Amino acid sequence: NAGVTQTPKFRVLKTGQSMTLLCAQDMNHEYMYWYRQDPGMGLRLIHYSVGEGTTAKGEVPDGYNVSRLKKQNFLLGLESAAPSQTSVYFCASSYSPGQKSNYGYTFGSGTRLTVV
Amino acid sequence: SQQGEEDPQALSIQEGENATMNCSYKTSINNLQWYRQNSGRGLVHLILIRSNEREKHSGRLRVTLDTSKKSSSLLITASRAADTASYFCATDAISETGRRALTFGSGTRLQVQP
Repeated sequence: NAGVTQTPKFRVLKTGQSMTLLCAQDMNHEYMYWYRQDPGMGLRLIHYSVGEGTTAKGEVPDGYNVSRLKKQNFLLGLESAAPSQTSVYFCASSYSPGQKSNYGYTFGSGTRLTVV
Repeated sequence: SQQGEEDPQALSIQEGENATMNCSYKTSINNLQWYRQNSGRGLVHLILIRSNEREKHSGRLRVTLDTSKKSSSLLITASRAADTASYFCATDAISETGRRALTFGSGTRLQVQP
């Protein structure tokens, strides 16, 4: 049981390049999320999805796009990377609110992205 | 904007002592959760307390919630060196735009000295 798997684990991009971060979960969770973590700022929500085929904006969505074509996968895209997007990116998944409500989020191990 | 704010930002204690971390938040919540993050790793869910609960225990963890003061505390008893990590509170609430997702504070870095 792998939980939440993120690929890649590390990446260095040049300004203006594009890339896609992949998140996969095997827990049949309805909800999936992308957060970024910057020093001293906790985690900030980028985009999230409440089910297959749905996406919604979070707190800091600018410069990112997402897709959820399959229930188990949630992709985060950077179309034109900027140095301000240097961060650690975490994917998480959860049951929908009200379903198994004692459970929290399950997080992946993160992708460390540097944009130079 | 951050919903939860932890206090203190950093805490250093000796093994065997208790560690207390506090969290304050701003709006009404459905529940509050605590997570641990070891250096360079993802967050791990520790405990969830609902808005109608006041106290919850899980092993050496004790969480309290005071909705009138919009605050929570996490107590780790008989700390161990392996408890060294950052601890985050996260609030489950519906935003003004109808978004429901966890909002995290900036965390407390706990160092347990052996």
